[in-house]
Amino acid sequence: KNQVEQSPQSLIILEGKNCTLQCNYTVSPFSNLRWYKQDTGRGPVSLTIMTFSENTKSNGRYTATLDADTKQSSLHITASQLSDSASYICVVSFARRSNDYKLSFGAGTTVTVRA
Amino acid sequence: ETGVTQTPRHLVMGMTNKKSLKCEQHLGHNAMYWYKQSAKKPLELMFVYNFKEQTENNSVPSRFSPECPNSSHLFLHLHTLQPEDSALYLCASSQEIGDSNQPQHFGDGTRLSIL
Repeated sequence: KNQVEQSPQSLIILEGKNCTLQCNYTVSPFSNLRWYKQDTGRGPVSLTIMTFSENTKSNGRYTATLDADTKQSSLHITASQLSDSASYICVVSFARRSNDYKLSFGAGTTVTVRA
Repeated sequence: ETGVTQTPRHLVMGMTNKKSLKCEQHLGHNAMYWYKQSAKKPLELMFVYNFKEQTENNSVPSRFSPECPNSSHLFLHLHTLQPEDSALYLCASSQEIGDSNQPQHFGDGTRLSIL
């Protein structure tokens, strides 16, 4: 069974502090890994995508890492802002057949940033 | 604006009612999806449409009936729902089904409550 596990389930941080979210997956064969941000009352929005050959990718204050050998990814938020309060969802794409991909979703990490 | 619009945003219905959820995408995409999102659980893929043809039905109960009249519109008809069907229903679209490098664009969802 393909799975994507995220940790922690939730966390609270003070504004200006950093935090790191974890995503471990067992899906195979791996195609790519994407992090989505979902604000309260809104749909998920793609933050970044990581392919097999990429180790690190940044999008502003968000930095994603990928270790394809250990099947782990992290999302680091630097100098958090109140607007970073959201759920962050890890989504792993794997190939069922040639040109046939399936997405496996994590349950998300809820981040609350407090002033 | 994500380019994917869902209506209504909130819906409360009794178990014997019939209602429909609507999704419209303005992105020129060919693939559309229905997801169910329950608290603290991963997104569950329900249906996939490609060029208005259904390509995937993930063992969804028949009380959920999708309809895709064209590539821009997607409906989810609801009938005789159960309390456990209360959730956020998300619609998404993507350029192609087979390209895992393209993100899915999500609407803001319909929050459904079954009394």
